[in-house]
Amino acid sequence: DGGITQSPKYLFRKEGQNVTLSCEQNLNHDAMYWYRQDPGQGLRLIYYSQIVNDFQKGDIAEGYSVSREKKESFPLTVTSAQKNPTAFYLCASSKDGEKYNEQFFGPGTRLTVL
Amino acid sequence: AQSVTQLGSHVSVSEGALVLLRCNYSSSVPPYLFWYVQYPNQGLQLLLKYTSAATLVKGINGFEAEFKKSETSFHLTKPSAHMSDAAEYFCAVTGSGGSNYKLTFGKGTLLTVNP
Repeated sequence: DGGITQSPKYLFRKEGQNVTLSCEQNLNHDAMYWYRQDPGQGLRLIYYSQIVNDFQKGDIAEGYSVSREKKESFPLTVTSAQKNPTAFYLCASSKDGEKYNEQFFGPGTRLTVL
Repeated sequence: AQSVTQLGSHVSVSEGALVLLRCNYSSSVPPYLFWYVQYPNQGLQLLLKYTSAATLVKGINGFEAEFKKSETSFHLTKPSAHMSDAAEYFCAVTGSGGSNYKLTFGKGTLLTVNP
């Protein structure tokens, strides 16, 4: 079945460490996204990529980095510069060329900084 | 620029009662609108979408929403709540012109269904 996988489901990190969250899709979608979710805040866009080897900052990119070397993969690195990284992280993808931007979501990774 | 306001961060209904979750949007271009549902510790699942066709949109699990341009609203309803409807619901908007890569989400409404 086609879909989006995120790993790990739960991740613990010590302060000062970088950590990378995985996102893979087999939907043959061109566009991919990373969101951060905090209680009562909705979803906020961190980075998005419309095509391989290209990506743009979203609304809260500071302290995060991404790469898009393959169409199927869009890993997110949470760096030590991110002041408050504890959150639920969601990856999504959408098919380029659609008039409307229906996004499909992965199951999420919950990151906790100890 | 776009924005979404979901009125009521928490709605509680009895099983079998009407569900009404409110969403108002702001958009400088004709919008496309979405409702997503999220169960605890899971990703978001699309319930329904408005893409400028019919103003009354039917989705999965018996939900529907009506696009009202004059009221800039896209409220979600279900005639009879079921225990399995307990979840968090998000309204989202994107513009119909230019780059459609940014979805703007509301802050969500947590639905509780009481037996």
